[in-house]
Amino acid sequence: EPEVTQTPSHQVTQMGQEVILRCVPISNHLYFYWYRQILGQKVEFLVSFYNNEISEKSEIFDDQFSVERPDGSNFTLKIRSTKLEDSAMYFCASMGTGEGKRNTEAFFGQGTRLTVV
Amino acid sequence: LAKTTQPISMDSYEGQEVNITCSHNNIATNDYITWYQQFPSQGPRFIIQGYKTKVTNEVASLFIPADRKSSTLSLPRVSLSDTAVYYCLVGVPLGGNTPLVFGKGTRLSVIA
Repeated sequence: EPEVTQTPSHQVTQMGQEVILRCVPISNHLYFYWYRQILGQKVEFLVSFYNNEISEKSEIFDDQFSVERPDGSNFTLKIRSTKLEDSAMYFCASMGTGEGKRNTEAFFGQGTRLTVV
Repeated sequence: LAKTTQPISMDSYEGQEVNITCSHNNIATNDYITWYQQFPSQGPRFIIQGYKTKVTNEVASLFIPADRKSSTLSLPRVSLSDTAVYYCLVGVPLGGNTPLVFGKGTRLSVIA
């Protein structure tokens, strides 16, 4: 079965540093998402991306965050100046056309555990 | 998006059938009901989706009564590996520009 892959699996960074989390969505998918999950809490939506632009973002996704699909395969989340409270699991997800039986299923990656110290 | 309510946690013994009920009183006409499963330190995984009556796949069954104000995820003969958090989501199925919104889910613990 096709899968979404994320790198790195773990990232430790110092407060104030920039981090880039990388994702390779499923190749024929059109919709891409980033979610985060703080330890012990629920999965929170950050941003959705379609047709090379952000289609929706949450309140969490402030100016410190940006997303990019630089080369048609990778999908990245950049946090410009990390804060302690950015420590969380970050999940990338992708979805097909959004129509039809199978295409309404979002496929999630295994996540990147970001620790800000 | 319709608000959902589900039990915070459930325990079950191996081999038993587990039913997790989700309430969604404000479900809209176009909304579908979708369940995801999340193992510790992994991303959520799609289990099943339905609109009305009953849907069954190789993993689970989903029962939706006529008024659609609730739904029940049924896991037959659970094993230890079914220990996970189960999320009920209600909304239009075409993710696309309508992102999935997760609640707190139900933490299922399967005991030997």
